[in-house]
Amino acid sequence: GAVVSQHPSRVICKSGTSVKIECRSLDFQATTMFWYRQFPKKSLMLMATSNEGSKATYEQGVEKDKFLINHASLTLSTLTVTSAHPEDSSFYICSARGIGEKLFFGSGTQLSVL
Amino acid sequence: AQTVTQSQPEMSVQEAETVTLSCTYDTSESNYYLFWYKQPPSRQMILVIRQEAYKQQNATENRFSVNFQKAAKSFSLKISDSQLGDTAMYFCAFMKHVAGGTSYGKLTFGQGTILTVHP
Repeated sequence: GAVVSQHPSRVICKSGTSVKIECRSLDFQATTMFWYRQFPKKSLMLMATSNEGSKATYEQGVEKDKFLINHASLTLSTLTVTSAHPEDSSFYICSARGIGEKLFFGSGTQLSVL
Repeated sequence: AQTVTQSQPEMSVQEAETVTLSCTYDTSESNYYLFWYKQPPSRQMILVIRQEAYKQQNATENRFSVNFQKAAKSFSLKISDSQLGDTAMYFCAFMKHVAGGTSYGKLTFGQGTILTVHP
């Protein structure tokens, strides 16, 4: 079946640094990907919709300059957390839309900012 | 805007028993999808079941079935013959349906219910 690969699975960084998370569709083209954030034992909150070749659409309250999303190809979307701070520590999950109303999730990235 | 409410933060059930997880939602949309997702300790999101709002028949997938009450905006999940591997966090989710499918994938999740299956 279709697979979405998300890397890294876990990252620890120092406050003030930037971190890039990749979401890659391995065997299908994904014109649209979605980025979610999840706090421990909490719900998934949609951050933004990533469309190939165009600017991402951010949800209300999400800082677009803090969370940079790039979807430069049909198989890759990246989320860059810029100047990360401890409050950005969270679990980030991507999903990709396939053909025929199929949706596939990545395995998530646990970000810890020290 | 849509909201999804799961009023049971935690549930537990004995192995082989049946358990029902509750979900209510609020929307002004007439055409939409509803989902139940499972998130085990690995944190991988796994689709359990999907229901199209225009279908009156309740969706079923093996031991999993839903009770979809559109007028009441209720969408509960029944797990029969519970197994230890069913232990996970379960999320109810809403997705608006747009002709052409251009918005397919944009999910609104409930707060989640942690289900523990005891041996």
